[in-house]
Amino acid sequence: GEDVEQSLFLSVREGDSSVINCTYTDSSSTYLYWYKQEPGAGLQLLTYIFSNMDMKQDQRLTVLLNKKDKHLSLRIADTQTGDSAIYFCAERGLGNTGKLIFGQGTTLQVKP
Amino acid sequence: SAVISQKPSRDICQRGTSLTIQCQVDSQVTMMFWYRQQPGQSLTLIATANQGSEATYESGFVIDKFPISRPNLTFSTLTVSNMSPEDSSIYLCSVEKAAMNTEAFFGQGTRLTVV
Repeated sequence: GEDVEQSLFLSVREGDSSVINCTYTDSSSTYLYWYKQEPGAGLQLLTYIFSNMDMKQDQRLTVLLNKKDKHLSLRIADTQTGDSAIYFCAERGLGNTGKLIFGQGTTLQVKP
Repeated sequence: SAVISQKPSRDICQRGTSLTIQCQVDSQVTMMFWYRQQPGQSLTLIATANQGSEATYESGFVIDKFPISRPNLTFSTLTVSNMSPEDSSIYLCSVEKAAMNTEAFFGQGTRLTVV
């Protein structure tokens, strides 16, 4: 079945770059997403990438997609303490309106 | 984007009771969904809320336990029935502006604790 895997925890120093990794199994994935969840809050859509792209950049965020290896990463440049949150990777399979398959989330800790 | 309001934001309920969670969107949307996030876990889709017809449930979720209403294009409710402590979770409403739209937006969630 469909599965999305993420490492559970990442700790970086303020000003460094953060790289959060995700792997997925569904070869028919059409879109892949990154969401941010701050404590006590809902999910904020950060960015997404279409499966026929290999890179997307949006200000401090860079998404890299290796479709052959089914590997997705999110790079946050110049990480700030406000970036501390849980980051979820999610994928949408072909024809799956609304049904996103989520990873278990990566907790990013940014140390001053 | 879409602004999604969920009520209540949190609640503590007695086992055996039911809670209805409301989801209000600031604009008409085609698709509305309900997800569950169990403590320390990822999100799982419960069902798709269909306007004017019965919701479409995912495997492992049934209408008797999670009845859903969707009377119009901006509002939906999810009821968690006959609650047990295992139902303690965050319940999130999600919307897409149109079918197969690329962007899925989420409400802030309802944090439910069953005692």
